[in-house]
Amino acid sequence: EAQVTQNPRYLITVTGKKLTVTCSQNMNHEYMSWYRQDPGLGLRQIYYSMNVEVTDKGDVPEGYKVSRKEKRNFPLILESPSPNQTSLYFCASSFTGTVGLQTQYFGPGTRLLVL
Amino acid sequence: AQKITQTQPGMFVQEKEAVTLDCTYDTSDPSYGLFWYKQPSSGEMIFLIYQGSYDQQNATEGRYSLNFQKARKSANLVISASQLGDSAMYFCAMREGSYSGAGSYQLTFGKGTKLSVIP
Repeated sequence: EAQVTQNPRYLITVTGKKLTVTCSQNMNHEYMSWYRQDPGLGLRQIYYSMNVEVTDKGDVPEGYKVSRKEKRNFPLILESPSPNQTSLYFCASSFTGTVGLQTQYFGPGTRLLVL
Repeated sequence: AQKITQTQPGMFVQEKEAVTLDCTYDTSDPSYGLFWYKQPSSGEMIFLIYQGSYDQQNATEGRYSLNFQKARKSANLVISASQLGDSAMYFCAMREGSYSGAGSYQLTFGKGTKLSVIP
């Protein structure tokens, strides 16, 4: 089954404790992206990657890191989480061909609470 | 200025009736794609339908159709024969950039419309 998976789905942590949210896709997509969703603010892009070893900042990159060492994986790293990073996080992926193929498919989401 | 505007924070529809969810967009790029996603209470984002700026016909996917009015910059989602399972948040999103695939792949989302289907 074609899918984007994220782990963990739910996470409660404390301020300053490093964490990683994993994202993996099995559709051979070149493009992968991380979004966060907050009430009243909608979905905002954190980081994206056009292909292996190619990453760039989105609209709200502060406090986050990413890496793309393999095509299928795109982990999101919070080096020192703070309460304002409490949010619902989505990973998404798509092809980079003609625009009709660029539909982004989303993972199930990770609910993060930073105390 | 907002690039994607969804003016209906919430809507109600009777089961088996059709409903239209509004979306207007703002771009000066001639090449763009418009997407609708559904987010049920469980939280996942489910892709529903896509319309390209150069597509001549309105997109359809089962009970979903997109009423694309390019001159008005609107891309309304029409759900026919509503079902209880259609109750969810619905997001309109846009990707700007070259039709050939280059350019930004970022999706810009509207604030969403919460649809409630009444039995």
